[in-house]
Amino acid sequence: NAGVMQNPRHLVRRRGQEARLRCSPMKGHSHVYWYRQLPEEGLKFMVYLQKENIIDESGMPKERFSAEFPKEGPSILRIQQVVRGDSAAYFCASSPPQQGEGYTFGSGTRLTVV
Amino acid sequence: AQTVTQSQPEMSVQEAETVTLSCTYDTSENNYYLFWYKQPPSRQMILVIRQEAYKQQNATENRFSVNFQKAAKSFSLKISDSQLGDTAMYFCACRPSNTGTASKLTFGTGTRLQVTL
Repeated sequence: NAGVMQNPRHLVRRRGQEARLRCSPMKGHSHVYWYRQLPEEGLKFMVYLQKENIIDESGMPKERFSAEFPKEGPSILRIQQVVRGDSAAYFCASSPPQQGEGYTFGSGTRLTVV
Repeated sequence: AQTVTQSQPEMSVQEAETVTLSCTYDTSENNYYLFWYKQPPSRQMILVIRQEAYKQQNATENRFSVNFQKAAKSFSLKISDSQLGDTAMYFCACRPSNTGTASKLTFGTGTRLQVTL
């Protein structure tokens, strides 16, 4: 089992460009979560998705950020017109639908906006 | 809504000694799960231990154990026989137990643990 795969590991974007972060959940996991970690801070919830559905996006900024988890393929976190404040580590996690299971996290994507 | 508080930004312990990391939480849920995650310099988030709130017995995983005080909403992590590889950020997290669906984790701000020789 390959675990949760995130790519790229590192991403550098200039201000105003778009960033696309990918996450493939563990086999058998139907729930995907995205978290953002700013330097020296904890993980902040962004969005929770199931296949083709956004379940909870209460942590997503209202503008420029979007997420999807299509029927086929990885989950995508998309940030349009990036700004320096978007620089952070973005973690994806997946879980099975059963209660109580801890998440399995990916290794994260470190986004740097220059 | 849930909140998780870790009041110790940094801790240090000598190799082979025991250290306890504190965590308090607040939730309106009757049933929930509590977790400790470890984040080493590699940045990978690793599940250390989990506790189901309806179980009174404290969870144990090898050198890691918890002291779960439900009434006080306290969930501390004890690391025995500390090893250099335990050096990492440790995050406490809480997740409600919603029937039929998974639900989001709420994290504390973390405690940076340094194990020294």
